[in-house]
Amino acid sequence: SSELTQDPAVSVALGQTVRITCQGDSLRSYYASWYQQKPGQAPVLVIYGKNNRPSGIPDRFSGSSSGNTASLTITGAQAEDEADYYCNSRDSSGNHYVVFGGGTKLTVL
Amino acid sequence: QVQLVESGGGVVQPGGSLRLSCAASGFTFSSYGMHWVRQAPGKGLEWVAFIRYDGSNKYYADSVKGRFTISRDNSKNTLYLQMNSLRAEDTAVYYCAKDTADPSGSYLDYWGQGTLVTVSS
Repeated sequence: SSELTQDPAVSVALGQTVRITCQGDSLRSYYASWYQQKPGQAPVLVIYGKNNRPSGIPDRFSGSSSGNTASLTITGAQAEDEADYYCNSRDSSGNHYVVFGGGTKLTVL
Repeated sequence: QVQLVESGGGVVQPGGSLRLSCAASGFTFSSYGMHWVRQAPGKGLEWVAFIRYDGSNKYYADSVKGRFTISRDNSKNTLYLQMNSLRAEDTAVYYCAKDTADPSGSYLDYWGQGTLVTVSS
């Protein structure tokens, strides 16, 4: 399968920890990357590879992977972290090059 | 700094054609693969197409295969998306994005601001 599955919505209390997950067969072969998108803006890469953060991304963002599941963890969520989060990976099925998850809407309460 | 600037979006009738451009600067364009990703209004991200750094290989989503063509001109630092036989469901913001060229995966580290394509009669 060339699909990545994400929960449509997740909420977290301000300052608490939240994990957003992404499942798919491709994740057994390739690392995921994670993108944050706020309304009216382009996506921003926040985590890639085993657990790498691009320059400028706060260290409260981290990534992990096990089997067919990749996770994005925000430790001490801030109000500005409220956004849509998308995972993606290379497609191991050979049908496509890249596949995106459906996205998770994160609400910070 | 890396900049990706899309252009060419607009309103087109069903069955029509449009060519999007993405002007790149701030990095060695000829060394990196490039993607087109789109987002329909109120929907999630959908990968559209990828082209290798030298144009040697191209990949497409099933939804656009046979209708869209990705290309690049490394002498002009520009990425293109030729879109033919457009349908209402192609209405979306189209983003170009740079690939990191990391062998462990396909990571899109820089994105343009997007250009809106509306297919409507």
